[in-house]
Amino acid sequence: GENVEQHPSTLSVQEGDSAVIKCTYSDSASNYFPWYKQELGKGPQLIIDIRSNVGEKKDQRIAVTLNKTAKHFSLHITETQPEDSAVYFCAASGNTNAGKSTFGDGTTLTVKP
Amino acid sequence: DTEVTQTPKHLVMGMTNKKSLKCEQHMGHRAMYWYKQKAKKPPELMFVYSYEKLSINESVPSRFSPECPNSSLLNLHLHALQPEDSALYLCASSQAGGPRGTEAFFGQGTRLTVV
Repeated sequence: GENVEQHPSTLSVQEGDSAVIKCTYSDSASNYFPWYKQELGKGPQLIIDIRSNVGEKKDQRIAVTLNKTAKHFSLHITETQPEDSAVYFCAASGNTNAGKSTFGDGTTLTVKP
Repeated sequence: DTEVTQTPKHLVMGMTNKKSLKCEQHMGHRAMYWYKQKAKKPPELMFVYSYEKLSINESVPSRFSPECPNSSLLNLHLHALQPEDSALYLCASSQAGGPRGTEAFFGQGTRLTVV
């Protein structure tokens, strides 16, 4: 089955700096890669996703890049703000519903004011 | 409406109790899911319903019993749970089928404590 590795497990940045979280996956059949943000006591919320026919996608301060050859994808957050502090999960799924995605272990991002 | 609503938000139950978790969505999604999440861990898939039929059971103990009464509702019936079952239980929904993965929407979860 699919295996997703996520790094780093914790990340601390100064407000205004950029943050990068990286994930690798093992199954070349995976074609959908969502990123979720989970705040304390809440469910995961989709913040951005990318499909295998796209190399990069951007939404305001958030961007995701995908390298299918190397089987890795990354989340980039620019101009970080304290409210970006949360746990971020990457995930990968194949020709099936996104709800059956394989999740990475998560990255705890702390943005210091 | 892009919400998945879960009730209750918090639940404390004894090991001999029977309780149910409820999940509701009105996005027309025909795939619904139950996940279990322990502290500082990613969500673990438990069950998947597709078009109101159970399509995936990830070897979940029988003390957890899912039910999908209609396309908008998903229940998780709990009986004779153990303290190690204490966790955040998440419901999610997405469009069903299709050749590619689709966006999943998660509820806020039910924080379950078994005493």
